[in-house]
Amino acid sequence: DAGVIQSPRHEVTEMGQEVTLRCKPISGHNSLFWYRQTMMRGLELLIYFNNNVPIDDSGMPEDRFSAKMPNASFSTLKIQPSEPRDSAVYFCASSLERGLGSQETQYFGPGTRLLVL
Amino acid sequence: GQSLEQPSEVTAVEGAIVQINCTYQTSGFYGLSWYQQHDGGAPTFLSYNGLDGLEETGRFSSFLSRSDSYGYLLLQELQMKDSASYFCAAFFVFGPGTRLSVLP
Repeated sequence: DAGVIQSPRHEVTEMGQEVTLRCKPISGHNSLFWYRQTMMRGLELLIYFNNNVPIDDSGMPEDRFSAKMPNASFSTLKIQPSEPRDSAVYFCASSLERGLGSQETQYFGPGTRLLVL
Repeated sequence: GQSLEQPSEVTAVEGAIVQINCTYQTSGFYGLSWYQQHDGGAPTFLSYNGLDGLEETGRFSSFLSRSDSYGYLLLQELQMKDSASYFCAAFFVFGPGTRLSVLP
């Protein structure tokens, strides 16, 4: 299995530009998580999908952030417009939940390192 | 809401045993997971406690006490490669992480 795939691995952009991060979860997994990691705030959940449906998006910072999961094998996280404070590592993780919130092992992708200038 | 607390740093020498504690305040708590993250890498799963007691996986063990809202990760026979950050997590809420430095 290829594991969770994220692209791009690195992104450098200028303030105000649109950024789109992509994630392909492990085949057969039914839950997908987007996290953001910074030194100041640690690893924080942005949004959690189960069976392609957003279950918890309370971590999405503001209207500039949006996430979609059009099918079981693909998700995007979009930032528009981007700001320097969005600079962070963004991780996507997937798991196979046997019941909603059953807390199965999460498998993380390699992350996207975003720098907004 | 949920919050988890861990020590920020722990240092130990090769071959030693180290314990990383985690206390939590949560609603709807199902269990405690532990993840390891090396610098520049992604978190990887180590252990999960859904019930009170000790879970052992090789050199790593994890413990949970629901009545005390407390858990720990025990690393035995420390190796240099164990130098990393360790996170406790309650579902998708992660603690701040404990940076473990293993000295020769």
